[in-house]
Amino acid sequence: ILNVEQSPQSLHVQEGDSTNFTCSFPSSNFYALHWYRWETAKSPEALFVMTLNGDEKKKGRISATLNTKEGYSYLYIKGSQPEDSATYLCASFYSNYQLIWGAGTKLIIKP
Amino acid sequence: EPEVTQTPSHQVTQMGQEVILRCVPISNHLYFYWYRQILGQKVEFLVSFYNNEISEKSEIFDDQFSVERPDGSNFTLKIRSTKLEDSAMYFCATSGQGGTEAFFGQGTRLTVV
Repeated sequence: ILNVEQSPQSLHVQEGDSTNFTCSFPSSNFYALHWYRWETAKSPEALFVMTLNGDEKKKGRISATLNTKEGYSYLYIKGSQPEDSATYLCASFYSNYQLIWGAGTKLIIKP
Repeated sequence: EPEVTQTPSHQVTQMGQEVILRCVPISNHLYFYWYRQILGQKVEFLVSFYNNEISEKSEIFDDQFSVERPDGSNFTLKIRSTKLEDSAMYFCATSGQGGTEAFFGQGTRLTVV
């Protein structure tokens, strides 16, 4: 059974601090890793899709890295702001067409 | 910009009734997913669907639930004999080939009374 793990489950961060969290996934038959940002009562918003080992992507203060050999991805947020509060989901796509989702990391930014 | 459409936006139903939640995917997408979020809790994966069959389902997705594409366009989630604990926001998502990003609908808020 393919399982994607995210850690921590939740995180409280002081406004202005930087933070990061992890997505671990099985690397066999891996094709792509997706990160999403999901605010309560809204649709998830795609942040990044990464496929290559060593990929790094950046969108404003948010960036992500990918290690396909060891099966993990980090999401970094620099200088956290209250609007960054959300659940961050990762999902791993495999060559057998399965898209396996993690349970998410709930990020709360304290003003 | 292409979008995923869900109907209804809000459904109130009596306990024990059946509900059908509908999703119109982006036209060339082949992979379909349902998720739910109970108020104040984490997003939960329910099921993924490809090539007219379920490719993966979670423990939540028991015999009470079913999915189908009855007319080749709409993707539906049927919940038989709803329970109070089925009250949640239900999201549909679809994606194209090659591990491309999934696009989410705006959700259906299901309230079971």
